[in-house]
Amino acid sequence: EPEVTQTPSHQVTQMGQEVILRCVPISNHLYFYWYRQILGQKVEFLVSFYNNEISEKSEIFDDQFSVERPDGSNFTLKIRSTKLEDSAMYFCASIGESPLHFGNGTRLTVT
Amino acid sequence: QKEVEQNSGPLSVPEGAIASLNCTYSDRGSQSFFWYRQYSGKSPELIMFIYSNGDKEDGRFTAQLNKASQYVSLLIRDSQPSDSATYLCAGGRRDDMRFGAGTRLTVKP
Repeated sequence: EPEVTQTPSHQVTQMGQEVILRCVPISNHLYFYWYRQILGQKVEFLVSFYNNEISEKSEIFDDQFSVERPDGSNFTLKIRSTKLEDSAMYFCASIGESPLHFGNGTRLTVT
Repeated sequence: QKEVEQNSGPLSVPEGAIASLNCTYSDRGSQSFFWYRQYSGKSPELIMFIYSNGDKEDGRFTAQLNKASQYVSLLIRDSQPSDSATYLCAGGRRDDMRFGAGTRLTVKP
């Protein structure tokens, strides 16, 4: 069964550094998402992406965040200047004719 | 504000019982609803999805959707200890899918 692939599985970075989280959504899916889950808390919607542009974003997705689909397969989330509170699991997901499928997540640790 | 609310839990049921998990949503334009199971430190795993009013059954799981009441539920029949996990309700539009806080279910042998 096709799956959403995320890399890296764990990223450690220093406060103020830029990070890029990468995702390969399921190939025939049309909508792509990034979610965040701080340890012990709920899964929070960050942004959705459709037809090569942001479709919807939450109040969390401020100017520090950006998303890009640089080619036909990758979907990236960039955090420009990381803060301690950005430490969380970041999940990529995609949806098409089949339901919303998640990748295994990237654990981001900001020190 | 687009919100998805779940009954707070935690929920504990004996093995073999029915576990009932409930969820309400605020966005009347929501079209798709999903139930996920999540183990600690892992990504959400899809259990059921439902798009139309009524019941949808898959093995021991039944999802129920009532769009008029903005309510979606998940019933787990013949609960097993292996069903112990956090269950997440998600709902919304294609470009805005929100999650509830999750309900922790424990099935006691």
